[in-house]
Amino acid sequence: AQTVTQSQPEMSVQEAETVTLSCTYDTSESDYYLFWYKQPPSRQMILVIRQEAYKQQNATENRFSVNFQKAAKSFSLKISDSQLGDAAMYFCAYLVEEGGSEKLVFGKGTKLTVNP
Amino acid sequence: DTAVSQTPKYLVTQMGNDKSIKCEQNLGHDTMYWYKQDSKKFLKIMFSYNNKELIINETVPNRFSPKSPDKAHLNLHINSLELGDSAVYFCASRGGSEAFFGQGTRLTVV
Repeated sequence: AQTVTQSQPEMSVQEAETVTLSCTYDTSESDYYLFWYKQPPSRQMILVIRQEAYKQQNATENRFSVNFQKAAKSFSLKISDSQLGDAAMYFCAYLVEEGGSEKLVFGKGTKLTVNP
Repeated sequence: DTAVSQTPKYLVTQMGNDKSIKCEQNLGHDTMYWYKQDSKKFLKIMFSYNNKELIINETVPNRFSPKSPDKAHLNLHINSLELGDSAVYFCASRGGSEAFFGQGTRLTVV
């Protein structure tokens, strides 16, 4: 079964500090996409960052960066200079092909608290 | 302009009722989805449509029936609602690798 595992149900960080959220996944594909989504209390799903598996360079979006280890099937998210607005649920996901279509498979999420 | 819009945002209804959730996307995408987020925040795919055709049906009870009148719309109709159907339902559309989500519909069955 294709799965995404987020081993940290909850994490906390002090404002302005750095935090890393973990994610591992299982796939037999060689080319795929990985994502981190943020879900604040408003419940809107917001794409934070995307990584293409065939690219060795880690994706970066402002204060958000990933550590993509393809052989280890690991895709962690680093948030630098944490802000109060970063407090949210964070979901790791990957895009998998099935039955001629593609779907996003999500991890169970990590709840991030940012302390002032 | 909202890229993916769902209505209603909140829905409270009694057991046994039939209800519908509507979804529209203005992104020109061919692929649309319905996801269910349970009380533990777990997101699970229910259906996938590609250009109005059902592609993925993830073992969802047949009380749930999606309908896609055109590729910009994917509605979800639920018959004989049960307490366990209470959840947040998300519509999404995808172009290329990126998926865009609606704001979700919180369904509460009482």
